[in-house]
Amino acid sequence: GAVVSQHPSWVICKSGTSVKIECRSLDFQATTMFWYRQFPKQSLMLMATSNEGSKATYEQGVEKDKFLINHASLTLSTLTVTSAHPEDSSFYICSASVPPDEQFFGPGTRLTVL
Amino acid sequence: KQEVTQIPAALSVPEGENLVLNCSFTDSAIYNLQWFRQDPGKGLTSLLLIQSSQREQTSGRLNASLDKSSGRSTLYIAASQPGDSATYLCAVDTGTASKLTFGTGTRLQVTL
Repeated sequence: GAVVSQHPSWVICKSGTSVKIECRSLDFQATTMFWYRQFPKQSLMLMATSNEGSKATYEQGVEKDKFLINHASLTLSTLTVTSAHPEDSSFYICSASVPPDEQFFGPGTRLTVL
Repeated sequence: KQEVTQIPAALSVPEGENLVLNCSFTDSAIYNLQWFRQDPGKGLTSLLLIQSSQREQTSGRLNASLDKSSGRSTLYIAASQPGDSATYLCAVDTGTASKLTFGTGTRLQVTL
């Protein structure tokens, strides 16, 4: 199956700093990538849909100025958590859509904000 | 708004048992349904994808069924093994920009 990678796998940062997470499709081109957030013992919640070459579409309640998404190429999407705070600590997972309709997920990034 | 529920939330079975995980969704107008496996602290592994026009899909010891009209799907695991221990998630695609709505998950433990 298709492979999606994420980098870094974990990151610890101080409150107020910004953190960038990369999501790459390794062996296919993905016009659409998705970013999810998962809090402990909870399911995945979709944050935003990222389309190559256009602005991301954010789900209700997700601050677009805080979670900056860039999808500059067909194999790379980045999520930047700006001015991170402890409540942003979570497990962030990306996925890439493979036509016609299957999604493949990255291994996730554990963010801890001190 | 689509809501997806999974029952039970947790399940512990001895090795070798067959088991069924349940997934229900409130809006039957789905495009497809996927079952995933998630190991602790890890990403998701896709197990089975069922299109809305299909009734079931099989892969090895796994069989997933879909009853769209009643808003239900089941994942059947035959001859369970300790390596099957993980959280199992179902997710439905309503066809709107391929967005997935995830269920609450079933945490499975298979004991020796």
